[in-house]
Amino acid sequence: GDSVTQMEGPVTLSEEAFLTINCTYTATGYPSLFWYVQYPGEGLQLLLKATKADDKGSNKGFEATYRKETTSFHLEKGSVQVSDSAVYFCALMSGGSNYKLTFGKGTLLTVNP
Amino acid sequence: DGGITQSPKYLFRKEGQNVTLSCEQNLNHDAMYWYRQDPGQGLRLIYYSQIVNDFQKGDIAEGYSVSREKKESFPLTVTSAQKNPTAFYLCASRTWSGDGTEAFFGQGTRLTVV
Repeated sequence: GDSVTQMEGPVTLSEEAFLTINCTYTATGYPSLFWYVQYPGEGLQLLLKATKADDKGSNKGFEATYRKETTSFHLEKGSVQVSDSAVYFCALMSGGSNYKLTFGKGTLLTVNP
Repeated sequence: DGGITQSPKYLFRKEGQNVTLSCEQNLNHDAMYWYRQDPGQGLRLIYYSQIVNDFQKGDIAEGYSVSREKKESFPLTVTSAQKNPTAFYLCASRTWSGDGTEAFFGQGTRLTVV
């Protein structure tokens, strides 16, 4: 079945540092890939997505590229801010799994001033 | 405003009691989902529904039940058979857009069983 493996945290960075959170996946067919962000006590918000190989999703300075050859969708940001502190989830959805959204375990990011 | 509303935000129940969590959406989405979130375990799928009057079990359906009588509503009942019901519960709905599909989430309900 589908699965997502993402970098375990927690990750602690200083403001303006470079961020990478690794994500790899296993899926049947051609999944859509997503990064969601969760702030304390809240639901999940879609951060970015990519629907086919070599697509780059981007939003709020975050980027991730759909790499079919390495089955990866790593999240990057060039300069993090304190307000980026949150839990980040990598996820996929495929027709082969009846469009269920499968999540990684989440990575807690803390950015210090 | 269009969105997904989960209520209540916090819920306390005594052990052995059934409890129903509400999820309503006005996005006109066909598909709806329930997830459970526990620390360090990510999100696990409980039940999902692709269309009214139809639903399927997810990965951890034991001790839970759902109904989908209306497109807008997908309530989740946590029964006394659920051995460890204390958790954060998230409801989601899914749409198709011009560039694919994506899911939208409610703000969650934190259930504490004492």
